[in-house]
Amino acid sequence: AQTVTQSQPEMSVQEAETVTLSCTYDTSESDYYLFWYKQPPSRQMILVIRQEAYKQQNATENRFSVNFQKAAKSFSLKISDSQLGDAAMYFCAYRSSGSGNTGKLIFGQGTTLQVKP
Amino acid sequence: DTAVSQTPKYLVTQMGNDKSIKCEQNLGHDTMYWYKQDSKKFLKIMFSYNNKELIINETVPNRFSPKSPDKAHLNLHINSLELGDSAVYFCASSQSDNSPLHFGNGTRLTVT
Repeated sequence: AQTVTQSQPEMSVQEAETVTLSCTYDTSESDYYLFWYKQPPSRQMILVIRQEAYKQQNATENRFSVNFQKAAKSFSLKISDSQLGDAAMYFCAYRSSGSGNTGKLIFGQGTTLQVKP
Repeated sequence: DTAVSQTPKYLVTQMGNDKSIKCEQNLGHDTMYWYKQDSKKFLKIMFSYNNKELIINETVPNRFSPKSPDKAHLNLHINSLELGDSAVYFCASSQSDNSPLHFGNGTRLTVT
């Protein structure tokens, strides 16, 4: 069974600085998707970024980028030029691909990010 | 607005009661899900439906019964509520072509 681990329960960053959130996962599959979701205090789950395992190029979305290391099964999220609105809980998630894909997301434990003004 | 909407937003009830949470999506997706977020913020899938058919049932007590009248709706009915059912319940939807999940805003259920 697949597992996702976020080893940093809490992180903090100064406004305008860069922070990296860690995520590792365990799977025997070769084809899958990885996601980062953001959950602000409003409780809404917001998709931040998505990575297909078959793509070597790291995904980027504006100030958000990932460092995907498939062999190491590592998927970290880098937030550049941090803003106060980035303060939230961040979840790393895994989803199988290919035939028999049920669409099920497996989540990590989450990392609470504090942004200091 | 195109979205996944679930009602109610908050639900406070006593042990032993039966309650329902409704979910609707107007995104045209063919797959819908229920996730539970516990007090430690851990998110875990409970059920998924594809075109009204149950695809995933993750060892959830049979007091929980999802119902999908059509592919745009997935309701969650809970019988004989227990204190441990207190959590935030999220509805989500996606297209079965590996597109990302879209989540509703969650329903905070408190059982007293």
